[in-house]
Amino acid sequence: IAGITQAPTSQILAAGRRMTLRCTQDMRHNAMYWYRQDLGLGLRLIHYSNTAGTTGKGEVPDGYSVSRANTDDFPLTLASAVPSQTSVYFCASSDSSGRGTDTQYFGPGTRLTVL
Amino acid sequence: GQNIDQPTEMTATEGAIVQINCTYQTSGFNGLFWYQQHAGEAPTFLSYNVLDGLEEKGRFSSFLSRSKGYSYLLLKELQMKDSASYLCAAMDSNYQLIWGAGTKLIIKP
Repeated sequence: IAGITQAPTSQILAAGRRMTLRCTQDMRHNAMYWYRQDLGLGLRLIHYSNTAGTTGKGEVPDGYSVSRANTDDFPLTLASAVPSQTSVYFCASSDSSGRGTDTQYFGPGTRLTVL
Repeated sequence: GQNIDQPTEMTATEGAIVQINCTYQTSGFNGLFWYQQHAGEAPTFLSYNVLDGLEEKGRFSSFLSRSKGYSYLLLKELQMKDSASYLCAAMDSNYQLIWGAGTKLIIKP
């Protein structure tokens, strides 16, 4: 089934631990994105990738890193988790180089709690 | 700065019509998107406007006025399953989406 998958679905993490959120898409989309969604706030872009091998910083990149070794996968790493990183994380992809009108399609999300 | 404003919450009755407004201020403009998000789920695409005017898609329509920095989403013949949050997002000059906080729509029987 075509789409975007994310893992894990949810996670409780101790502060200071390292965590990688996984995102895989099978639509051969060029562009991929990581957002966080917090109550009362709009989706905020953490990092993005316009094509395999390139990444860029979004609005709230501090404390997060990404890599894009191939078209399908776009993992997000928290090197040393802090409680303010408690959030719902969505991965998205679009069939463009990040330009134009192409729609972003979202994965089901990862609910992360940092204690 | 860049900003998207939309009401926090609206209530409507099943079978009625509701209009959700959105105003935006962005550095450049490359289109306005509306997404629907049910509680605990991912956002799903509803509509895209880049030219002024109304785009109709079944029970849902979206309107854009670029000169006013304004858009609305119109939902007709409301059904209980339309209870969700509706997210407005504007694409800026860097082709990044700037998101509003969402409007929670409550449908009452």
